[in-house]
Amino acid sequence: QSVLTQPPSVSAAPGQKVTISCSGSHPNIGSKFVSWYQQIPGTAPKLLIYDNNKRPSGIPDRVSGSKSGTSATLGITGLQTGDEADYYCGAYDTSLRAWVFGGGTKLTVL
Amino acid sequence: QVQLQESGPGLVKPSGTLSLTCSVSGGSIISDYWWTWVRQSPGKGLAWIAEVSYVVKTNINPSLSSRATVSMDASKNQFSLNLSSVTAADTAVYFCVRRIAATATSGGTFDSWGQGTLVTVSS
Repeated sequence: QSVLTQPPSVSAAPGQKVTISCSGSHPNIGSKFVSWYQQIPGTAPKLLIYDNNKRPSGIPDRVSGSKSGTSATLGITGLQTGDEADYYCGAYDTSLRAWVFGGGTKLTVL
Repeated sequence: QVQLQESGPGLVKPSGTLSLTCSVSGGSIISDYWWTWVRQSPGKGLAWIAEVSYVVKTNINPSLSSRATVSMDASKNQFSLNLSSVTAADTAVYFCVRRIAATATSGGTFDSWGQGTLVTVSS
């Protein structure tokens, strides 16, 4: 059971938009910054979003992040087959004194 | 561009100690970053284990604090993880990761990942 809750899977057609939610509580998302990671099966995770809504160099602007209260959302527009991957949210939890992640969401581009 | 590479035994016996080393290239571990271990059990999500910083020492996941230790060797630009008394539940892909330190206006994030190494606990 992960501290942060994500839907197990989402799907959308190429060119469409998808959002992935991440639900937490006050000690983590409610009071700390959220990051998002993309993991193509068999490879290492890759940073997509940090500090709730900032993109590292090289991440296109069709990828976005937002946070409201104790939830965060990752959005991807103009879906491509190459976006098929597992996506994880993460944050620090002040109560657990640990970095925590969501259980991951598998994105399928139909 | 910093690169991280894990190394260590792929098979550890139950009750033994798992020992992994991460070699860092393209940047010095003597820096403001935290050098971190994250694992992923087969078919499961990510789990933070521990981290070490040249400046502020170590942070260990309280759920593993009795079994996990981390250290760094600045002369080799490496950092290491030891996990004692392992069981089958410790079977996972272990990633070494660089984490940006948090500040008053930034939360800190895991920005560079090694490719990961599978460690299986079995007799």
